[in-house]
Amino acid sequence: NAGVTQTPKFRILKIGQSMTLQCTQDMNHNYMYWYRQDPGMGLKLIYYSVGAGITDKGEVPNGYNVSRSTTEDFPLRLELAAPSQTSVYFCASSYPDRADGYTFGSGTRLTVV
Amino acid sequence: DAKTTQPNSMESNEEEPVHLPCNHSTISGTDYIHWYRQLPSQGPEYVIHGLTSNVNNRMASLAIAEDRKSSTLILHRATLRDAAVYYCILINTNAGKSTFGDGTTLTVKP
Repeated sequence: NAGVTQTPKFRILKIGQSMTLQCTQDMNHNYMYWYRQDPGMGLKLIYYSVGAGITDKGEVPNGYNVSRSTTEDFPLRLELAAPSQTSVYFCASSYPDRADGYTFGSGTRLTVV
Repeated sequence: DAKTTQPNSMESNEEEPVHLPCNHSTISGTDYIHWYRQLPSQGPEYVIHGLTSNVNNRMASLAIAEDRKSSTLILHRATLRDAAVYYCILINTNAGKSTFGDGTTLTVKP
């Protein structure tokens, strides 16, 4: 039981490049989330999904896109990287009732130069 | 989303109890109170949650005020490994999302 797996762990992008942050979970959780965490700050919700084929915006969705074609996977796409997107990105998953809380991945540290 | 308010930082001595407060004056009847902690360079991890009654688990205790407008996470004997950022968040099971604040940074002194 691996929980929530994020890849890559680290990445450096140049301004204007694109990339996809991968997130997969093996707990059969319906709900999945993407958060970003800037240095010394709390977590900001980017996008979330309550099930395959359903996604919705969080607090800071601009510059990002998501898709949810399967229950297990919830990739986050950056189309035109900007320095403001330098951050640590966390993926999380949960059951709908959140009875066991959120399970977080170990994060992807992204630097845009 | 209902908001929570936590002190920016707190200090504790090792092996002493720690009481981490959280205010949530706009809590609704269907909001659960969740606590998470984030160790340095790691993702947040679930600690405990409750609705109305006080809760205990192997990690901590959660004391919820009678009017539910505040709660306190209790670490019974702080260790150096408890130094982390602690987040109090409200989760409404009728809503798909929840927001995190900036949390409380707990420093444990030997």
